[in-house]
Amino acid sequence: GAGVSQSPRYKVAKRGQDVALRCDPISGHVSLFWYQQALGQGPEFLTYFQNEAQLDKSGLPSDRFFAERPEGSVSTLKIQRTQQEDSAVYLCASSLVGGVNQETQYFGPGTRLLVL
Amino acid sequence: GQQLNQSPQSMFIQEGEDVSMNCTSSSIFNTWLWYKQDPGEGPVLLIALYKAGELTSNGRLTAQFGITRKDSFLNISASIPSDVGIYFCAGQYTDKLIFGTGTRLQVFP
Repeated sequence: GAGVSQSPRYKVAKRGQDVALRCDPISGHVSLFWYQQALGQGPEFLTYFQNEAQLDKSGLPSDRFFAERPEGSVSTLKIQRTQQEDSAVYLCASSLVGGVNQETQYFGPGTRLLVL
Repeated sequence: GQQLNQSPQSMFIQEGEDVSMNCTSSSIFNTWLWYKQDPGEGPVLLIALYKAGELTSNGRLTAQFGITRKDSFLNISASIPSDVGIYFCAGQYTDKLIFGTGTRLQVFP
């Protein structure tokens, strides 16, 4: 596809369940980003990959959050033992090169996670 | 987490009116960006600003990068119904984007 795709688009989980969110970046894009967007707020940075290397995970809110990009393409954000405060939209973005301020980040449609 | 101060929080305007919104930060950024987000979608880049003092236009949109590098504004002229949505500013710090709190725009015919 032409853009960033994410799946599932919607996920309902019971508190305590583990969830896995998938991101397919634009083909050939080196950098991949995850953001969390709470209701009524702007997106907040979670983590960043350049190829398969996770260069920044300073935004991950707890050790229940884990992200990987083993082959430098598709990425998975995993949340273990979900809590109600994890309910949010999880956005993935990719950019062609990364490491450069002027590189545009293209966003996917997001996965809406609701933890009951 | 850190979010930039964006105002106004919401605007209700009539079609054809001009709109202005701004964003301030306590930190300096080298790049300011303005995004629009429609319901159920991710943010889409509208305008990017790379130099302090820079004024950039994209159709009916005009944005400026503040001279102090701590603020930016976005103007929309002659608003139309499809301008409805949430507008976010973002400052770029190394690779990560720091977003504002958003301005929700409603346009009435």
